[in-house]
Amino acid sequence: GAVVSQHPSRVICKSGTSVKIECRSLDFQATTMFWYRQFPKQSLMLMATSNEGSKATYEQGVEKDKFLINHASLTLSTLTVTSAHPEDSSFYICSATPGTGSSYNSPLHFGNGTRLTVT
Amino acid sequence: GQQLNQSPQSMFIQEGEDVSMNCTSSSIFNTWLWYKQDPGEGPVLLIALYKAGELTSNGRLTAQFGITRKDSFLNISASIPSDVGIYFCAGANTGKLIFGQGTTLQVKP
Repeated sequence: GAVVSQHPSRVICKSGTSVKIECRSLDFQATTMFWYRQFPKQSLMLMATSNEGSKATYEQGVEKDKFLINHASLTLSTLTVTSAHPEDSSFYICSATPGTGSSYNSPLHFGNGTRLTVT
Repeated sequence: GQQLNQSPQSMFIQEGEDVSMNCTSSSIFNTWLWYKQDPGEGPVLLIALYKAGELTSNGRLTAQFGITRKDSFLNISASIPSDVGIYFCAGANTGKLIFGQGTTLQVKP
């Protein structure tokens, strides 16, 4: 079945530094990937839609200059948290679907998430 | 923005009991999905529903896509300890998922 790999699974960084998180679709091509953030005991909140070959679409309230998204190929999207602050500490999860066009609502498959801790 | 109301927020049941949880929305969705999330991991898809009125089973799990396309429920029959976790409903339009707040399930052996 469709597999999404996310790396790293955990990262600790100092305040002010930048962190890059990778999301790969291992056995299918994904023209679109999604990035979510989840705070403890809360639901997943969509941050942005990552489009291969074009700019990401950010949800309201998400700073595009702080959360840089690059969809370099049909199997890789990266999220860079720039100038990280302690309040950016969260669980970041990516997802992708092999569906396109009319099958765009095919089930999204999620990576295992990245636990970011900013000290 | 779109929001999903998921209930109950948490459940503590005895092993062997049946469980029911549901989601409602003020908006119409083309797809309803149910996920389970274990601590420190990403959500895992349980059931996907694509058609209003659709009733789908996956082992002990049964889910239905409401006829109005604004709601869905998930039933778990004969619960077992490994059913413990957080269950999320999600509504989808054009691949973009909106998640419910989650239902935390605890099962007492």
